[in-house]
Amino acid sequence: NAGVTQTPKFRVLKTGQSMTLLCAQDMNHEYMYWYRQDPGMGLRLIHYSVGEGTTAKGEVPDGYNVSRLKKQNFLLGLESAAPSQTSVYFCASSYLRTGIVPGELFFGEGSRLTVL
Amino acid sequence: AQTVTQSQPEMSVQEAETVTLSCTYDTSESDYYLFWYKQPPSRQMILVIRQEAYKQQNATENRFSVNFQKAAKSFSLKISDSQLGDAAMYFCAYRSERTDKLIFGTGTRLQVFP
Repeated sequence: NAGVTQTPKFRVLKTGQSMTLLCAQDMNHEYMYWYRQDPGMGLRLIHYSVGEGTTAKGEVPDGYNVSRLKKQNFLLGLESAAPSQTSVYFCASSYLRTGIVPGELFFGEGSRLTVL
Repeated sequence: AQTVTQSQPEMSVQEAETVTLSCTYDTSESDYYLFWYKQPPSRQMILVIRQEAYKQQNATENRFSVNFQKAAKSFSLKISDSQLGDAAMYFCAYRSERTDKLIFGTGTRLQVFP
């Protein structure tokens, strides 16, 4: 059972380059989230999705775009990478709220992105 | 907007002793959920405990328990009989019932000494 899979695990970019991080989950979860983790800053929510075809902004959405065309995938895009986007990115998913206490997030292993 | 504050960047505890990690949050909502997550050096995020805001009883999971004070917007984590394996970053998190937005605090690094 794969759970939540992030690709790539590591990437080095030059300023101005674009890239897409892919998050895939095989648990049929409705909710998916993208976070970035920086020293002393904890995990900050970038964007999230409450279902296929929907996205919403989190705490730090600027410079990122997301898409949820398929329920199992949540893509995070950087159109023009900047050094300030050097970070570890985590994807997470959780199950549908109705009838179930929500909340346990299932996390991917993280993707380390360096922008030079 | 909701915020989560962890005012202790680092804490330490002797093995077998008890330690309490603090968390406060700010929200205008009445329905929400609170969590503590653990992140060991492997970077994997692990759910430690969760609390529904509508429940007055404090959640307990084995050696982990919370002190949930809704009026004070406080949600502290108590670890009893600390073990070396408890050493990790601990994050407090808030999930909105209305929007499903889930945000984290800045974390507390816990060291456990033999």
